[in-house]
Amino acid sequence: QQQVKQSPQSLIVQKGGISIINCAYENTAFDYFPWYQQFPGKGPALLIAIRPDVSEKKEGRFTISFNKSAKQFSLHIMDSQPGDSATYFCAASKEAGANNLFFGTGTRLTVIP
Amino acid sequence: GEEVAQTPKHLVRGEGQKAKLYCAPIKGHSYVFWYQQVLKNEFKFLISFQNENVFDETGMPKERFSAKCLPNSPCSLEIQATKLEDSAVYFCASSRYGELFFGEGSRLTVL
Repeated sequence: QQQVKQSPQSLIVQKGGISIINCAYENTAFDYFPWYQQFPGKGPALLIAIRPDVSEKKEGRFTISFNKSAKQFSLHIMDSQPGDSATYFCAASKEAGANNLFFGTGTRLTVIP
Repeated sequence: GEEVAQTPKHLVRGEGQKAKLYCAPIKGHSYVFWYQQVLKNEFKFLISFQNENVFDETGMPKERFSAKCLPNSPCSLEIQATKLEDSAVYFCASSRYGELFFGEGSRLTVL
């Protein structure tokens, strides 16, 4: 059973455009929702994370929107750049850092120059 | 160290052979996690440790997989009698509390 559902599977965006990736979860005990960026041949690296006490978190061009009642969260990448081309994973866990992360299935983002 | 170090980067085994992977977590991090990433990019949690103690092993196929984190040694993940379906990239991650830091992975190919 997939604990975290992610869409779309792939996304192509023009340079300067907005990339939006969506995730949904079922377990209301989750209290930590990170997004990871993974380049080919590398391990995933934390991009940005949010806890359910806020509805939005912004770091530079990256924003997480969180809807607790709908059990959904999304990543927005503003002014998308070719260097953002990577696979993005949403994830969720209870007690960040202690318990295992449940990952979404990934979104392969391609930003066209 | 300041990064999670995984060895080897690549490992090729014939079906039925043993495979052993190593992970040195970031110094000071008390949690270590092992994940398996298969071709479709999905991450499967295998096992986690709090220091040298197993914290959560709900993802481990126990009949062939084993793992250890002993004091003053790299953590290890061992697969006895590898099968074709064990071909994957195995990631180790560590944390103190909060963010998980991942290594670059060990790619296991079973022929």
